[in-house]
Amino acid sequence: GAGVSQSPSNKVTEKGKDVELRCDPISGHTALYWYRQSLGQGLEFLIYFQGNSAPDKSGLPSDRFSAERTGGSVSTLTIQRTQQEDSAVYLCASSFLAGVDTQYFGPGTRLTVL
Amino acid sequence: KNEVEQSPQNLTAQEGEFITINCSYSVGISALHWLQQHPGGGIVSLFMLSSGKKKHGRLIATINIQEKHSSLHITASHPRDSAVYICAPRGSNYKLTFGKGTLLTVNP
Repeated sequence: GAGVSQSPSNKVTEKGKDVELRCDPISGHTALYWYRQSLGQGLEFLIYFQGNSAPDKSGLPSDRFSAERTGGSVSTLTIQRTQQEDSAVYLCASSFLAGVDTQYFGPGTRLTVL
Repeated sequence: KNEVEQSPQNLTAQEGEFITINCSYSVGISALHWLQQHPGGGIVSLFMLSSGKKKHGRLIATINIQEKHSSLHITASHPRDSAVYICAPRGSNYKLTFGKGTLLTVNP
């Protein structure tokens, strides 16, 4: 596609439910990044992939968060047993190569946990 | 103390004014990004730089690695430049650390 796409654009869920957020990077981009933007907290790094592997998972807030990327393309961020503090905009970005290229951001998924 | 400090937090200017936003960071970095986020809008990467200066249209970004400081300048500012500007140093592990952003409002 022309840019990074994310789905859903909005997700409202009840506390304790699991959610899956999807990111489709720009075709050909090998690096993919997940970030979170919380009200009052600003942006924070969650995880990045180079190809299908995630060398650094230290940014994930807890073990309820996991992410995978298959086929070097689409990535899914899964949050298990959601909590109200998980409410945020989850942003995905991609770049041709990790660390050397401009990152292109998707529009984000706004997650609201009731 | 935050690892990334931006100043000012808020900036209001008149159209045509020269704008400077500053970023100081305490972590060692391999590069630094400047990002732009319009209200309710997505994030756009303006610059990625590891030394010296880059220019794109009316935007100029500079970085001094030794002093751990970067600046974003906007010449001849315009109301469409109104947005949040975010400084994001990048460590050697490709992780970005974000500043809290500078809210710029340019009045006509």
